[in-house]
Amino acid sequence: SYELTQPPSVSVAPGQTARIICGGNNIGSKSVHWYQQKPGQAPVVVVYDDSDRPSGIPERFSGSNSGNTATLTISRVEAGDEADYYCQVWDSSSDHYVFGTGTKVTVL
Amino acid sequence: VQLVESGGGVGRPGGSLRLSCAASGFTFDEYAMSWVRQGPGKGLEWVSGINWNGDRRGYIDSVKGRFTVSRDNAKNSLYLEMNSLRVEDTALYFCAREPQRSSEPFDIWGQGTMVTVSS
Repeated sequence: SYELTQPPSVSVAPGQTARIICGGNNIGSKSVHWYQQKPGQAPVVVVYDDSDRPSGIPERFSGSNSGNTATLTISRVEAGDEADYYCQVWDSSSDHYVFGTGTKVTVL
Repeated sequence: VQLVESGGGVGRPGGSLRLSCAASGFTFDEYAMSWVRQGPGKGLEWVSGINWNGDRRGYIDSVKGRFTVSRDNAKNSLYLEMNSLRVEDTALYFCAREPQRSSEPFDIWGQGTMVTVSS
C-alpha cells in the first residue's frame, strides 16, 4: 500500500519559515493536499493540488511537489500557525485515500 | 454547508456500533462520501468511502469484512455499520465530503463522533 512519511515535529521561531516535507514514492505524479488541524477541531485545507490555496488561506502558505517529495512552506510564521499538518493523496492503484503521518508545528 | 456525525459511544470488543452523518447545505447525491478516523494522539486515517449512488465502496484492509458503509440519499445521510469491534478501532470518526477529482481535497468535514472500544 502507498505510504506518506512526514517528520513528527518541526519547531520554528515567529517570523521565520517552516518547511514540512511529505515523502512518498513518485509523489510528484500525484496531486497533494495539505490540511491544518488544531486541537479539538476538524482538519482544514491550507493547500490543494500541490500549490493552490483555498480562499481565505493566507499567502504565507505555499506548496510544491516534485520527485519523491512534496513540501508545505509556511512563511513569516505566526503563533496561530501552531497545529498538526497532514499531507494527503489519492492512490489510484489501491483506490484509497492516503494521509501522511502528520507533523506537529511548534512556534517557539 | 455542514456534516453532523452521531452514534458514537462505548462498544465492547466484538460488539457493534452504527455511526450516522447528516448532510445539509449541498446536493448530497452529487458527491461521494468518506469516513476518516483519528485514534487518540494519532494521525488521520481514511477508513471507507462510498460513491454517489452506493454501488461502489472501498475500505482499508483493517476494517474490511467488519465495517459496512452505506447511504440514504433521500435522507441526506451517510452511515458506518461497525461490527466485530476491536480496541484499535477506538478513534474520533469524521465524515467528509469526497472531492470530485483527485486534484481536489476533502473540502467539508464534520466535527466527528467518538468511538471507544473497551471491555
